[in-house]
Order: sequence, then C-alpha cells, then structure tokens
Amino acid sequence: GQNIDQPTEMTATEGAIVQINCTYQTSGFNGLFWYQQHAGEAPTFLSYNVLDGLEEKGRFSSFLSRSKGYSYLLLKELQMKDSASYLCAVSSEGNFNKFYFGSGTKLNVKP
Amino acid sequence: DVKVTQSSRYLVKRTGEKVFLECVQDMDHENMFWYRQDPGLGLRLIYFSYDVKMKEKGDIPEGYSVSREKKERFSLILESASTNQTSMYLCASSGLEGYQETQYFGPGTRLLVL
Repeated sequence: GQNIDQPTEMTATEGAIVQINCTYQTSGFNGLFWYQQHAGEAPTFLSYNVLDGLEEKGRFSSFLSRSKGYSYLLLKELQMKDSASYLCAVSSEGNFNKFYFGSGTKLNVKP
Repeated sequence: DVKVTQSSRYLVKRTGEKVFLECVQDMDHENMFWYRQDPGLGLRLIYFSYDVKMKEKGDIPEGYSVSREKKERFSLILESASTNQTSMYLCASSGLEGYQETQYFGPGTRLLVL
C-alpha cells in the first residue's frame, strides 16, 4: 500500500524558520510534491523534487532523499499569511501519474 | 495560468438525491481527477480520467461514478447521496510544470448531505 506521513500540526513564530517533514512508502516513485492549502480553499502547487537534494524557490525550499523515503519543506522568514496546511504528495510511476497525499500539516504562525 | 473551475462552491442535498459535480479545465490537459478531502484523512482519489470517455477507479470509487464526454469537462456523479458523502470535493487536472507532470486544483465544492 501507499503510506505518506507528516506531522498533524506545528506552530512557529513570525520571522522564524520552520521545517515540515514528510516520510513516504509507496510502490513506485515519480516525484514528490508540496502543496499549500489555506482553510476552505483548494491546494496550490508549491514545489516538486524528482532527484535527491535541495530545491530552492524564494522563501520556500524542499529537500528529497529517495533512499530514505524522506522529504522536508523549509519555510524561511515566516509571515502570518503562511498559516495554512501543507500537503506532501508522491506521484506514482506509470502512465496516469496518480498522486498519493499525506493528511497535511497545519502550520500556525503566531506574531 | 491554469484554470480549473467547479460548478458550485457549496451544495446542500438530501439523502437519496442524485448529485452532479462539474469540473472544467481550460489547459487542454489529458488527465483529470476527482478527490474528496476529509479531516484527518487527507485527499483520497475517487476516480480519474486520462482521455475522453476513459475512466479509472481510484481508491474510494464506491457510491460514485464519473463522465468525461469532452476533454475539458469531468463530472462526478453521486447516484444516491448518503450522509457519509458529506465532504469537500476537489477536482484536478494535470499538466507539465517544467519537466514534471503536476496537478492543479479547482476551488472545491463543499457538499452537505442531510
């Protein structure tokens, strides 16, 4: 089966750095994705990793280790608007590019 | 920009009613998906489609059916709505972001079945 694990909730302070971890066990691997979802809204694409290492995109970075089945999303210089759920998703191999999602990590940014 | 739209943001239906949820994308994407999202369970795939008139079951297809008569439109049908189908329903289509196929989501439909 497919298993994607991430912490349920985290709290951090405005201006700080926070790391959200994701571990996965899937039958195939075609890439790992991070999405941001504000309450009551649809998920929006943040980043993806296919190869091991760090991908940086402004204040957000994502890291992947395929051998460990592990990824993290790093958010720097936290802002209040970063309060949201962050979803980790793994794309399976095969023709149809099915995604398997974790339950999401709710990040609370406090002043 | 990719645009995925869903016919309703909020919907209230009664048990036993037939419910249609519509999704339209404007990027000529081949693949389209229907998920439901429930607290603590994350997004679960109901059905997906990789071409017109083609469909595949996802992880939780029971109680649902789908229709893809045109490439841009993917409909989710609840044949006889039940209270356990109260949920947030999200449609997605997938296309290339750089060199990787990525899913883009519609705004979601929050369905309440009474």
